Amino acid sequence: EAGVAQSPRYKIIEKRQSVAFWCNPISGHATLYWYQQILGQGPKLLIQFQNNGVVDDSQLPKDRFSAERLKGVDSTLKIQPAKLEDSAVYLCASSAPGQGANGELFFGEGSRLTVL
Amino acid sequence: SQKIEQNSEALNIQEGKTATLTCNYTNYSPAYLQWYRQDPGRGPVFLLLIRENEKEKRKERLKVTFDTTLKQSLFHITASQPADSATYLCALEQNSGYALNFGKGTSLLVTP
Repeated sequence: EAGVAQSPRYKIIEKRQSVAFWCNPISGHATLYWYQQILGQGPKLLIQFQNNGVVDDSQLPKDRFSAERLKGVDSTLKIQPAKLEDSAVYLCASSAPGQGANGELFFGEGSRLTVL
Repeated sequence: SQKIEQNSEALNIQEGKTATLTCNYTNYSPAYLQWYRQDPGRGPVFLLLIRENEKEKRKERLKVTFDTTLKQSLFHITASQPADSATYLCALEQNSGYALNFGKGTSLLVTP
């Protein structure tokens, strides 16, 4: 079974530039999450999708971050404009139907963003 | 506010010994608690889930306890090996049906 795919793995941008990250969850997983992990910290939830609807985006800085999950499969997370403090690893995770957050999350390898 | 606290200090132990990691939480009423392992440059990988009505759960050399009165989970690795060196994350759901919140993690180093 293929895992959660993310791209790019690494991205370096200047502050005020924009960046987009892509995630393809495990086939059939209805729930998709984006987490931000700053060095030395645990993952922090940015947004949770159930199919193509948003369940929770309370911690998403909506003035600069946006995310979509068209057709309930792939998802894109965008940052525009980026700030220095956005330097982090952006982790995508998915979970199976019927489990949601009551079961294990499957994480991708993450996209490491460096903002200069 | 909800908090998940894990040993902030790295844990260094000798191969063959038992490693014990602690997870304390406040302002959660969890139906379950999960533990994940994270290697450098990789995403977290699920290890174990323990439910509120389970006091203890085992998987191979791993053992997790869950005390909802103390609001604490202990994660044990017996007969530790250098390959067990990683960061271990404790996770709880924010509210029923919502996503997991993670602790900062505890870094474990097992030396030969």
